[in-house]
Amino acid sequence: GAVVSQHPSWVICKSGTSVKIECRSLDFQATTMFWYRQFPKQSLMLMATSNEGSKATYEQGVEKDKFLINHASLTLSTLTVTSAHPEDSSFYICSVDGASYNEQFFGPGTRLTVL
Amino acid sequence: AQTVTQSQPEMSVQEAETVTLSCTYDTSESNYYLFWYKQPPSRQMILVIRQEAYKQQNATENRFSVNFQKAAKSFSLKISDSQLGDTAMYFCAFMIEVDMRFGAGTRLTVKP
Repeated sequence: GAVVSQHPSWVICKSGTSVKIECRSLDFQATTMFWYRQFPKQSLMLMATSNEGSKATYEQGVEKDKFLINHASLTLSTLTVTSAHPEDSSFYICSVDGASYNEQFFGPGTRLTVL
Repeated sequence: AQTVTQSQPEMSVQEAETVTLSCTYDTSESNYYLFWYKQPPSRQMILVIRQEAYKQQNATENRFSVNFQKAAKSFSLKISDSQLGDTAMYFCAFMIEVDMRFGAGTRLTVKP
């Protein structure tokens, strides 16, 4: 499988600021990556699908101007939460499409707290 | 739309006993994959077991096995000889091509 890292693992920011979360595929070419959001005691909800070199595809109800996704290389996708507000506080998890493995490889997640 | 239902929000089991977690799904597709993921307090998603829909044989991984009933669209997870380290959230997931959807999860507590 693939090793996927996320940075930072935990971030606290003030309301109105922007926060960037990185997702790296360390040993696997990540043509497609996914971003999920998980609220406390809830399941993972897909936010967007990120394709290398092209625009991300967002799920219904996810604001693309608020959650900016960039996937400029086969090893890195970034999620930027713009003008963050307390309701954006959540656990954000990225994953890599495992292609022929027919599964996804998950990062360890990033906890975002907006004050 | 594909949906995944886990009807047991919480379950508990005594150490060394066996427990079964339920999962049903709904799809009109015939080719898909099913997964059980474990999410411990660290919140890292850990793949427990997977099943290809085209395979009739139920998947097994050590103490973990599934009962896959394709016609009934059911995919339950059996954990044998439960261990304290099995305490976690368990998510059933369904994937068609690259699109993966998760159930609401079952919180499993293994009691000593």
